[in-house]
Amino acid sequence: IVLTQSPATLSLSPGERATLSCRASQSVSSYLAWYQQKPGQAPRLLIYDASNRAAGIPARFSGSGSGTDFTLTISSLEPEDFAVYYCQQRSNWPPTFGPGTKVDIK
Amino acid sequence: EVQLVESGGGLVQPGGSLRLSCAASGFTFSNYWMSWVRQAPGKGLEWVANIKQDGSEKYSVDSVRGRFTISRDNAKNSLFLQMNSLRAGDTAVYYCARGLGAAAAVLTLWGQGTLVAVSS
Repeated sequence: IVLTQSPATLSLSPGERATLSCRASQSVSSYLAWYQQKPGQAPRLLIYDASNRAAGIPARFSGSGSGTDFTLTISSLEPEDFAVYYCQQRSNWPPTFGPGTKVDIK
Repeated sequence: EVQLVESGGGLVQPGGSLRLSCAASGFTFSNYWMSWVRQAPGKGLEWVANIKQDGSEKYSVDSVRGRFTISRDNAKNSLFLQMNSLRAGDTAVYYCARGLGAAAAVLTLWGQGTLVAVSS
């Protein structure tokens, strides 16, 4: 299953709302996760099964969608949120990741 | 502290072998699916392999099947990746990661990664 993320880069200011999209080449039901990765660091799980926040993830991060279209929303960007975000499906083997969306400071 | 620490990366010639290790601490290692995920320099994430809690089930992606073998030693809280017949395309940071309960492919805990460079 191929995942496509848009936009490739999102330039925003702190305090603004970020909306990231992930589209699957076929239905993945709700088996979609979102990860955040900062330079030189390992990825961190944010959302799993489309809308469940992982432990310790702030409420400003939310996920939605099912089937082939998914959204990660960051309600109000904090300075530490500028990073690359990957979606990942686990509906079919092998699990696959999208190419990522970079959220950078405008 | 709950953590995963990888080791064993380095520079290897094409056709060579390496064995990566991942030491787990701070949680009951034998309760979790474990996985290896890699990231080529400046690129995205690619699943490599995963293994069930008791080692009875193992899965790997097509690009490494027959060359890489995932294994674990629950008595030593350790995960391994034996990599043979290495190619330039295997150059990447290799992360070990822990699954979320029965959801093997939801990765809740990651190590810091170990770099494997395949070059002559």
